[in-house]
Amino acid sequence: DAGVIQSPRHEVTEMGQEVTLRCKPISGHDYLFWYRQTMMRGLELLIYFNNNVPIDDSGMPEDRFSAKMPNASFSTLKIQPSEPRDSAVYFCASSLWERGEQYFGPGTRLTVT
Amino acid sequence: DQQVKQNSPSLSVQEGRISILNCDYTNSMFDYFLWYKKYPAEGPTFLISISSIKDKNEDGRFTVFLNKSAKHLSLHIVPSQPGDSAVYFCPPSGNTPLVFGKGTRLSVIA
Repeated sequence: DAGVIQSPRHEVTEMGQEVTLRCKPISGHDYLFWYRQTMMRGLELLIYFNNNVPIDDSGMPEDRFSAKMPNASFSTLKIQPSEPRDSAVYFCASSLWERGEQYFGPGTRLTVT
Repeated sequence: DQQVKQNSPSLSVQEGRISILNCDYTNSMFDYFLWYKKYPAEGPTFLISISSIKDKNEDGRFTVFLNKSAKHLSLHIVPSQPGDSAVYFCPPSGNTPLVFGKGTRLSVIA
């Protein structure tokens, strides 16, 4: 298996632009998680899905952030409009069960100027 | 509200010696504990886990100890190797998915 795939690996955009991050989970994993890593807060859970349905989005910082999972093999995290404070590394992870071992993608490094 | 605390942001250890990474948690509902390590420019990878019904789990050079009464978790790496240099996270799990924190950066010096 190729593992969790994320794209793009790096994204540089200007403030106010829309940013879309993409994730393909490991086939057969029912849970998908989006995280953000910053120096100040470490690795924070933003939202997670079970069988394509959002279960908990309490970690999403603002309405500018939205996430979708249209099918079992694809999820997006969108920021619109983006701001410099959104600059971080965004990780996607998937797992077989809610509380178990998660497999992470390589991350997307987002820079908003 | 930090549910997981890794009070040492960084740790330096000589190659061949023991590395001890510590973690404190606040939520008594946590019943499953994992350790992850993360290299730069990569996602975290699972290392070892322990259930709350145990107080020790060993896998090769890695041993995790759990003290439930103290709500304390530790990871021992012996002997430490330069390839162990990474950031380590100790996300516990309970009635919610894994709760990560800021991690501890381990540097193993050759």
